[in-house]
Amino acid sequence: GDSVTQMEGPVTLSEEAFLTINCTYTATGYPSLFWYVQYPGEGLQLLLKATKADDKGSNKGFEATYRKETTSFHLEKGSVQVSDSAVYFCALTDSGNTPLVFGKGTRLSVIA
Amino acid sequence: DTAVSQTPKYLVTQMGNDKSIKCEQNLGHDTMYWYKQDSKKFLKIMFSYNNKELIINETVPNRFSPKSPDKAHLNLHINSLELGDSAVYFCATGTSGLDEQFFGPGTRLTVL
Repeated sequence: GDSVTQMEGPVTLSEEAFLTINCTYTATGYPSLFWYVQYPGEGLQLLLKATKADDKGSNKGFEATYRKETTSFHLEKGSVQVSDSAVYFCALTDSGNTPLVFGKGTRLSVIA
Repeated sequence: DTAVSQTPKYLVTQMGNDKSIKCEQNLGHDTMYWYKQDSKKFLKIMFSYNNKELIINETVPNRFSPKSPDKAHLNLHINSLELGDSAVYFCATGTSGLDEQFFGPGTRLTVL
């Protein structure tokens, strides 16, 4: 079945540091790819998405590019802030109306 | 207006009890899901409902029974609660033509 692998955390960075969280996937078809974020004590929010190869999703300074050749969707941000501290989940779905398959989540802590 | 709401937000109960969690959405989406997030933050699909019909039932104990009285509501009833049921349960919605899903704030269930 489909699966998502993301780097183990926790990741601790200083404010304004560069962030990369690696995510690779295995899927039989052409999935849509997502990054969701979970702030402490809250539910999941969609951070960004990409639906086809070479698409770049971006939001709030975060970016991720759908790389079909390497089956990857790495999350990047050039300068993190304390408010970015959260758990980040990479996920995929084969098609609309099917459940999301999640990676195990990566906890990011940003210190001032 | 909250798009996807869940009640209660917190639920503390004794082993062996029966409890229900409710989910309501005002997005007009035709598919609703229950996900379970364990203590290590891992998210996994439990059930999926499309137009009030169960379309996916992952390997979940039959003590868990979802019920959808209408398209806007999906409830989760749990019989004979066990310690291992302690988790955060998320309701989510989706619809045809839209890849992403929208999550409720979660219900933290603690079984003592």
